[in-house]
Amino acid sequence: DQQVKQNSPSLSVQEGRISILNCDYTNSMFDYFLWYKKYPAEGPTFLISISSIKDKNEDGRFTVFLNKSAKHLSLHIVPSQPGDSAVYFCAASSSSGNTGKLIFGQGTTLQVKP
Amino acid sequence: DAGVTQSPTHLIKTRGQQVTLRCSPKSGHDTVSWYQQALGQGPQFIFQYYEEEERQRGNFPDRFSGHQFPNYSSELNVNALLLGDSALYLCASSPSINTGELFFGEGSRLTVL
Repeated sequence: DQQVKQNSPSLSVQEGRISILNCDYTNSMFDYFLWYKKYPAEGPTFLISISSIKDKNEDGRFTVFLNKSAKHLSLHIVPSQPGDSAVYFCAASSSSGNTGKLIFGQGTTLQVKP
Repeated sequence: DAGVTQSPTHLIKTRGQQVTLRCSPKSGHDTVSWYQQALGQGPQFIFQYYEEEERQRGNFPDRFSGHQFPNYSSELNVNALLLGDSALYLCASSPSINTGELFFGEGSRLTVL
């Protein structure tokens, strides 16, 4: 039972354009959501998070949107840069603040072409 | 400031053997979690350690066990290895059990033949 789903295994965008990565979840108890980025041969690194009391959170070029009624979140990267090419994981937690137990999606591989 | 360090980076075992993986958390962090990442999948939560005790556990059999030491470092032990245990094992630390995002190590790549 996949509680967090990233239905697009890969995404390719042109440098300077917007990248939109999507994530769906099924468990209504999830109240904290995170995005991680992973380069080959490295561990995942934290990118941005959002609490269920918000519907948007921005950090520089990265914005996460949360639609609780649709159980959907998305990560927008504007403008996209070649260095953003990596695997992006969406993750969710159901115990506010305790992110030790995260449920991850399968990941989306983003390729940003120069 | 050293981040999360894991050892070994790669290892090969045969079915039925036992393996121990080690993790040192980021400086100032006292909580350690372990994840298993199979090829093409997202990381799956194995368990979390805080104050030298297992605090949460994912859906993994008892063959998977762990330990946390007084200096906050941690070990993951897997007994009676199966082919399906082949994966990247990730250690993550956080500054407290109740706050903060996870900081991951580079992982230990286990191959079971």
